[in-house]
Amino acid sequence: DVKVTQSSRYLVKRTGEKVFLECVQDMDHENMFWYRQDPGLGLRLIYFSYDVKMKEKGDIPEGYSVSREKKERFSLILESASTNQTSMYLCASSGQESLETQYFGPGTRLLVL
Amino acid sequence: AQSVTQLGSHVSVSEGALVLLRCNYSSSVPPYLFWYVQYPNQGLQLLLKYTTGATLVKGINGFEAEFKKSETSFHLTKPSAHMSDAAEYFCAVRKAAGNKLTFGGGTRVLVKP
Repeated sequence: DVKVTQSSRYLVKRTGEKVFLECVQDMDHENMFWYRQDPGLGLRLIYFSYDVKMKEKGDIPEGYSVSREKKERFSLILESASTNQTSMYLCASSGQESLETQYFGPGTRLLVL
Repeated sequence: AQSVTQLGSHVSVSEGALVLLRCNYSSSVPPYLFWYVQYPNQGLQLLLKYTTGATLVKGINGFEAEFKKSETSFHLTKPSAHMSDAAEYFCAVRKAAGNKLTFGGGTRVLVKP
């Protein structure tokens, strides 16, 4: 079974703090993704990576950065957290083949006070 | 640019009744189409997908969806709802040659006894 794990299920941070969200997958997948999920808006892509040290902006990259130093690990960084970044964050991974499914982690619910 | 519209953010059905969740998409090229389900406090799980071939696609847990190119739709159905179907459902599209998913806003299903 594919397993995508995220470092925290719940996180509370203060405005201005630097926040790291970690995601690890165990299926040797090339592609990894970070989404945020907000009621009524579905999932929106923040960043994705198709290889180690490679990254591409998604639809809403402002206020976020990412790091992929190892194939299995993809980190999302909030350089200076703001209240409008309070959300559910979901990580996903997929293989390189075009028919590959994206597999999702359980999510991190982040509250910025 | 692709977009996905799910009609109805909330749907209430009685146990044993038909479940119908609507999804319409806009895409400049024939896309791949997906339905995901999210149970409370969990990540997203793939229900079914359409890539090529037969337009009626069967998925897990008795769900199926039909791709209708002329209507740009990919509606999800299940003949008889079960209490365990209570969840949020997301429709998503992806270009055949790409790896980025575009999600609809989601439909939360409530199943009444």
